[in-house]
Amino acid sequence: QKEVEQNSGPLSVPEGAIASLNCTYSDRGSQSFFWYRQYSGKSPELIMSIYSNGDKEDGRFTAQLNKASQYVSLLIRDSQPSDSATYLCAVNIGSARQLTFGSGTQLTVLP
Amino acid sequence: NAGVTQTPKFQVLKTGQSMTLQCAQDMNHNSMYWYRQDPGMGLRLIYYSASEGTTDKGEVPNGYNVSRLNKREFSLRLESAAPSQTSVYFCASSAWDNEQFFGPGTRLTVL
Repeated sequence: QKEVEQNSGPLSVPEGAIASLNCTYSDRGSQSFFWYRQYSGKSPELIMSIYSNGDKEDGRFTAQLNKASQYVSLLIRDSQPSDSATYLCAVNIGSARQLTFGSGTQLTVLP
Repeated sequence: NAGVTQTPKFQVLKTGQSMTLQCAQDMNHNSMYWYRQDPGMGLRLIYYSASEGTTDKGEVPNGYNVSRLNKREFSLRLESAAPSQTSVYFCASSAWDNEQFFGPGTRLTVL
């Protein structure tokens, strides 16, 4: 079992819809959870961080964390074609200073 | 602020050649990281430096060495390049909250 797993996708949604991206992790002791967006040929860009159970909203993005079930999700409301990218989930596994990344979910928002 | 900078952007090496990838950050972050990203493998940690004067191995350290030159700079050295080291290399830095910010990457090809 991988330490951080994401739906590999690809995921396609129509413009204006809600895109839902999911991530599960193996370490119950994990404390830090992040979502990164990566456009093709570019570097990962941090879009959300979450540290406690519940929801965290930032503009059109909502991160949801459920430590008991060991999953973290990202919702993108009113999806735009510019949201088309690969989304990476990252979790601190073991050492607090290290992040383990999932393999990413490719999202396409169709005009 | 430039954030995290990396040089070079592209490099082609022959098997057995050596090279050093440079990374610098101007965000006054304590921790710095080197990752490689390969298709289907996601981001994998090579080495990290939790603070100036310390370095630790990550998931895939074999064939690499690092130097934390000062708080700003963290270099990655390939002593004898192999075709398996063809990859995109990213440097990142973070403060205490583990939010990692990435440089633009170096695309390395080893022939």
